[in-house]
Amino acid sequence: DTGVSQDPRHKITKRGQNVTFRCDPISEHNRLYWYRQTLGQGPEFLTYFQNEAQLEKSRLLSDRFSAERPKGSFSTLEIQRTEQGDSAMYLCASSLPHGGEQFFGPGTRLTVL
Amino acid sequence: SQQGEEDPQALSIQEGENATMNCSYKTSINNLQWYRQNSGRGLVHLILIRSNEREKHSGRLRVTLDTSKKSSSLLITASRAADTASYFCAPLNSGGSNYKLTFGKGTLLTVNP
Repeated sequence: DTGVSQDPRHKITKRGQNVTFRCDPISEHNRLYWYRQTLGQGPEFLTYFQNEAQLEKSRLLSDRFSAERPKGSFSTLEIQRTEQGDSAMYLCASSLPHGGEQFFGPGTRLTVL
Repeated sequence: SQQGEEDPQALSIQEGENATMNCSYKTSINNLQWYRQNSGRGLVHLILIRSNEREKHSGRLRVTLDTSKKSSSLLITASRAADTASYFCAPLNSGGSNYKLTFGKGTLLTVNP
């Protein structure tokens, strides 16, 4: 399967713990995006990479959130000192340049107890 | 914000009937994309219509775009139970942020067998 993959698919953690999620985009896609989705809502944009450069970070992302994309390939999203409000589905997507369709991964569902 | 707003929020039809969903947005767009989300397959891109296009077809899907009214519609013909899902429109900005999709809450379509 050459689609976008995310790991883990599910994560349960206790409040205050750190978590890290991984996204592997489609190999030829230089754009990578992270979104967050809560129940009953559409996905909300978090951040965007073009190759290894993080070009935009949403105001939704507090200082506890950090994302990286070393070497312009896979990306990681880390949440430090998790809070119950961080519970959500975290979606990764990738695309070619020029504003075309975005291909989404299956998501990582985070539950913070 | 360039958020797409879908209407209605929920739609229930019988198999074989047509389903129409509408989307409104606020400012100039480069293109507008429709996505489907169900529990089995995550968020899947359906169709993209550019700002200079008025209508586009893909299989049983028909999308229209009226830039003067800042609105779009998605028609699914001869619906099937497998079409049961949430449908989101996502306008793509024509300005500098021509990569960030902003989703509304979606239309929850239920197709009854």
